Amino acid sequence: DAGVIQSPRHEVTEMGQEVTLRCKPISGHNSLFWYRQTMMRGLELLIYFNNNVPIDDSGMPEDRFSAKMPNASFSTLKIQPSEPRDSAVYFCASSPLAGAVSGANVLTFGAGSRLTVL
Amino acid sequence: EDQVTQSPEALRLQEGESSSLNCSYTVSGLRGLFWYRQDPGKGPEFLFTLYSAGEEKEKERLKATLTKKESFLHITAPKPEDSATYLCAVRGSGTYKYIFGTGTRLKVLA
Repeated sequence: DAGVIQSPRHEVTEMGQEVTLRCKPISGHNSLFWYRQTMMRGLELLIYFNNNVPIDDSGMPEDRFSAKMPNASFSTLKIQPSEPRDSAVYFCASSPLAGAVSGANVLTFGAGSRLTVL
Repeated sequence: EDQVTQSPEALRLQEGESSSLNCSYTVSGLRGLFWYRQDPGKGPEFLFTLYSAGEEKEKERLKATLTKKESFLHITAPKPEDSATYLCAVRGSGTYKYIFGTGTRLKVLA
């Protein structure tokens, strides 16, 4: 398996532009997570999906952020309009179905998308 | 609220100098405590999962232990290739969320 695949690896854009980050989870994994990593705050959970359904988006910082998972093999995180404070590394991670009553499953992370908003 | 605190923030060791990293946690009904390694420019890479107090896991020079309030990652006779950021995360019961600490940046000098 190729692991979790994210694109683009690097994105430099100007304030106000739309940014779309993409993620392909590991085949067979039913849970998908989007995290944002900064030096100051570490890894912050933005949103997670189970079976393509958004379960909790309380970590999404504001309405400028949106995420979709149209099928089991693809998810997007969109920022519109982007602002300089959105500059960070965005990670996608997947796991087997993270059922609330089952044991914890291991998250497998992608390589990340480094976003710079000028 | 579930919380994870890691210490120290940064650690410099000489090659061969053993030490421990700490992860203190507060969680409602621990479902799992995870250790990850992150190299610059890469995503976190899974190391260990611990499920209950008293459990221990080992891998090469690394050994993870767990109590009801904290976990330690012991590094025995480290080598320069062990230099990385080590992240701790927890998942509580009744939630799908994995909460991460801010990590310990380890530098091992030859």
